[in-house]
Amino acid sequence: DSGVTQTPKHLITATGQRVTLRCSPRSGDLSVYWYQQSLDQGLQFLIQYYNGEERAKGNILERFSAQQFPDLHSELNLSSLELGDSALYFCASSVVSGGLTDTQYFGPGTRLTVL
Amino acid sequence: GENVEQHPSTLSVQEGDSAVIKCTYSDSASNYFPWYKQELGKRPQLIIDIRSNVGEKKDQRIAVTLNKTAKHFSLHITETQPEDSAVYFCAASGTGTASKLTFGTGTRLQVTL
Repeated sequence: DSGVTQTPKHLITATGQRVTLRCSPRSGDLSVYWYQQSLDQGLQFLIQYYNGEERAKGNILERFSAQQFPDLHSELNLSSLELGDSALYFCASSVVSGGLTDTQYFGPGTRLTVL
Repeated sequence: GENVEQHPSTLSVQEGDSAVIKCTYSDSASNYFPWYKQELGKRPQLIIDIRSNVGEKKDQRIAVTLNKTAKHFSLHITETQPEDSAVYFCAASGTGTASKLTFGTGTRLQVTL
């Protein structure tokens, strides 16, 4: 167990719908990262938040958005869902102490299936 | 941006043999190189990492080497066991705002009896 929690574990929805994925980082970690893992694209970085602020953006679609709340949990919102959005979505957290790059610990993931 | 290439995509070894997975990266500013093991449907788990100020790191049967000049790093697993069977990912990252991980495409390792 990495200490990072994600809910729900599984999500099945229809095209055009909107879903919210939730992540709670390890105690003491200020940074949250979201990654998408699909069969044909591997593990792709989506977005990073640090202490409530967006820090870096990757290949995140405009239909996707995220935020980090004052208690440091984060939510990833996916809207106007398409079949191709079906994937495993992982959240990772790290301390990000500003010097050395900190280890990222991954949550168990949310499996999203869009029908 | 950073690009990480990983080879081979699949690797089959007999129990007790060694396995080597190689990765190359493109961004000379990258300074942190973790390796993750992922079992089917599970989360990536960190197995070992190395920073750019170190050339080699070992943890029991697992070792990682880094060649900054050539921009490549490798994972070495000795005395492989069936429970080592999984997909292994290398990754690279920088510091601060560049601390996101860029992953290789993964290597499926199968250890046969």
